[in-house]
Amino acid sequence: GEDVEQSLFLSVREGDSSVINCTYTDSSSTYLYWYKQEPGAGLQLLTYIFSNMDMKQDQRLTVLLNKKDKHLSLRIADTQTGDSAIYFCAETVSGYSTLTFGKGTMLLVSP
Amino acid sequence: SAVISQKPSRDICQRGTSLTIQCQVDSQVTMMFWYRQQPGQSLTLIATANQGSEATYESGFVIDKFPISRPNLTFSTLTVSNMSPEDSSIYLCSVVPPGQGIYGYTFGSGTRLTVV
Repeated sequence: GEDVEQSLFLSVREGDSSVINCTYTDSSSTYLYWYKQEPGAGLQLLTYIFSNMDMKQDQRLTVLLNKKDKHLSLRIADTQTGDSAIYFCAETVSGYSTLTFGKGTMLLVSP
Repeated sequence: SAVISQKPSRDICQRGTSLTIQCQVDSQVTMMFWYRQQPGQSLTLIATANQGSEATYESGFVIDKFPISRPNLTFSTLTVSNMSPEDSSIYLCSVVPPGQGIYGYTFGSGTRLTVV
């Protein structure tokens, strides 16, 4: 069955880079996503990557995909206190199919 | 992208009662999804709500416990019936707006339910 694993907690200092890791088991995963959930809020889509890509960069965010190892990472450059949130990795195997989420990584950014 | 309004944002309910959660979207969407996020856990899909047909439930979720309505293309409700403390969770609705494809999953802000 499908399974998405993430480390549960990451603490960094403001200005440092943060790297959040995710592994998945379904080799047919086609689309992979990173969502951000701030306290009391819903999920905000940060970025996504197709399985035929190795890397995607969007401003301070860099997504790396190692399809062979089924490993996905999200790098946040120059991390700010406003980046403190829970980050969820999610995957889906086809368009419009449902998402499978990891348990989320809580990122704490200290001044 | 679509804007989703979810109500109530939070509630504290007595065990044995039921709560209906509303999800209103500012555009017409074909598919709406209901998720549950238990404390410290990931999001789990409860069901897919399709307009004009019965909702499709995932393994472990049944219609008697989580009845869903989808009267039109912009609105859906999820009822949590005969609640117990184990139902304390955040419930979120999600849609894929038209033209957004697979990179458009949009979520409501969630309903934080506490059952006492």
